[in-house]
Amino acid sequence: NAGVMQNPRHLVRRRGQEARLRCSPMKGHSHVYWYRQLPEEGLKFMVYLQKENIIDESGMPKERFSAEFPKEGPSILRIQQVVRGDSAAYFCASSPDRRQSQSPGSAFFGQGTRLTVV
Amino acid sequence: AQKITQTQPGMFVQEKEAVTLDCTYDTSDQSYGLFWYKQPSSGEMIFLIYQGSYDEQNATEGRYSLNFQKARKSANLVISASQLGDSAMYFCAMRGLNTNAGKSTFGDGTTLTVKP
Repeated sequence: NAGVMQNPRHLVRRRGQEARLRCSPMKGHSHVYWYRQLPEEGLKFMVYLQKENIIDESGMPKERFSAEFPKEGPSILRIQQVVRGDSAAYFCASSPDRRQSQSPGSAFFGQGTRLTVV
Repeated sequence: AQKITQTQPGMFVQEKEAVTLDCTYDTSDQSYGLFWYKQPSSGEMIFLIYQGSYDEQNATEGRYSLNFQKARKSANLVISASQLGDSAMYFCAMRGLNTNAGKSTFGDGTTLTVKP
């Protein structure tokens, strides 16, 4: 009964490179949410996806950031041409189809990916 | 729009004593859920406890209880019989239950240090 899996746990990129962060939701979950946590701050919502659809990207920076959740495989958060300000912890959460469960704990977090831009 | 305010950047408590971590919120949603998460130094986000806005009783989970005062829009976390392993960052969060599950608003957190 695996939880939300994120990889890599730690990622180091030089300025200008691309970062790809992966999130595999819990089995049976079709909703994925990405959050960013800057140092000494709480989590900030970035994007909400269902399979093959972006539902809400109101928290995504306008440039360099993109996210996808294909029919098969994990959800990917992609950051192009990274800058030092992108250094943060990126968390993924998943939940089942809303019709199946309103369980309060249904948004389970992965262990996060810590991105360091040098 | 939703907002969570945690006014205590840091708190200290003696081992075996109880501690209350404050959380106030603001929302226009009629139906919402309130959550507390623990983030130890290892970085993962651990779900602790949940309170629904229409729940009449305060939520409890082991040593954790949520002091929910709807009129005051507060959802304080009470940890009883503190343990050294409780030292961590604690986040209060909320989401509207009429919106999609999972999109949550977080406070800036409180760092709890348990003294031996």
